Amino acid sequence: NAGVTQTPKFQVLKTGQSMTLQCAQDMNHNSMYWYRQDPGMGLRLIYYSASEGTTDKGEVPNGYNVSRLNKREFSLRLESAAPSQTSVYFCASSDGQGVYGYTFGSGTRLTVV
Amino acid sequence: AQRVTQPEKLLSVFKGAPVELKCNYSYSGSPELFWYVQYSRQRLQLLLRHISRESIKGFTADLNKGETSFHLKKPIAQEEDSAMYYCALKPTGFQKLVFGTGTRLLVSP
Repeated sequence: NAGVTQTPKFQVLKTGQSMTLQCAQDMNHNSMYWYRQDPGMGLRLIYYSASEGTTDKGEVPNGYNVSRLNKREFSLRLESAAPSQTSVYFCASSDGQGVYGYTFGSGTRLTVV
Repeated sequence: AQRVTQPEKLLSVFKGAPVELKCNYSYSGSPELFWYVQYSRQRLQLLLRHISRESIKGFTADLNKGETSFHLKKPIAQEEDSAMYYCALKPTGFQKLVFGTGTRLLVSP
């Protein structure tokens, strides 16, 4: 039972490059989320998908796009990476109401130089 | 708007001492509150949900609506409790969580 799987685990990009972070869950959860984690700022919501076919902006969506490919997969794309996007990115999923909390992936450590 | 405040960035205690990690929230409705823990270089894990009123790994947390607080407590700290702790709030009717900035707990021998 893998839970939430994120790829890649580490990535270094040059300013202006693009990349897609992949996330997949095998718990049949309806909702999926992308957060970034920065020192002193905690976790901030980038985008979320309440159900297959829907996506919504979170607190810090600028510079990112997302795709809910199917119920299992939710990808995050950086079209033109900037140093300010250096962060650890976490994907998470939850059941429909989120009452039981989130299940998190292991994170992607991204550095933009 | 919802807000979660964890006033301490770092809490350092000795093994065997009591621990209290503070969490205050701002929300006009009836909140659902959670504590998450992140051990070194591991993924975040759910520690407690206020609605279940459970004790996990010796930790408890009580929702105080009057003081808008959800402090995490443990009577006897252990070295393996050293980790980053995040308090989080789920607004009613939404699945998304709002996180505090986290408190690093360091338990020394």
